[in-house]
Amino acid sequence: EDQVTQSPEALRLQEGESSSLNCSYTVSGLRGLFWYRQDPGKGPEFLFTLYSAGEEKEKERLKATLTKKESFLHITAPKPEDSATYLCAVRHQGAQKLVFGQGTRLTINP
Amino acid sequence: DAGITQSPRYKITETGRQVTLMCHQTWSHSYMFWYRQDLGHGLRLIYYSAAADITDKGEVPDGYVVSRSKTENFPLTLESATRSQTSVYFCASSESEGSQHFGDGTRLSIL
Repeated sequence: EDQVTQSPEALRLQEGESSSLNCSYTVSGLRGLFWYRQDPGKGPEFLFTLYSAGEEKEKERLKATLTKKESFLHITAPKPEDSATYLCAVRHQGAQKLVFGQGTRLTINP
Repeated sequence: DAGITQSPRYKITETGRQVTLMCHQTWSHSYMFWYRQDLGHGLRLIYYSAAADITDKGEVPDGYVVSRSKTENFPLTLESATRSQTSVYFCASSESEGSQHFGDGTRLSIL
């Protein structure tokens, strides 16, 4: 059974203080690891897809990396507008369904 | 505007009533999905559809019914609502190898 565990559950940072969010996964034949951002009252917004260990993707202050067992979402010099819940999900080979982790609630204080 | 829209955004109903949540997408994506999001459980898949007239159960399908007569629409029906179905419901769509794109959800309260 596919499993996704995100840590920490919540993270509070000062503006400009870089950090990383973790997503550990167990999946039979990974066919994509997905990162989403979710703002209060909104649906998840797609950020990145990673397919193989060693792959990296970047967007503004965010960089996602992937190993065989986990993914990291690095946030560099964050701003208050980066405050959101970040969700990780996996898709296994032969399936279209995603299995989501419970998310990390990130707060950036000015 | 292109995208995925859900209606209503908010709904209050009583136990035992039937309620239908609507989802419409303009991308002509093959796949559509229904999730519920609850504190402590994250996003859980209820039902999904690979194409018109093809649907399949997800992780938590009990008490829900779906249909897909047209590619762009994927309604979710609670046939006899229960308090445990109070939740935020999200619809999503994707192409076969693409990422899923979500609507802004329906917040459903069952009294």
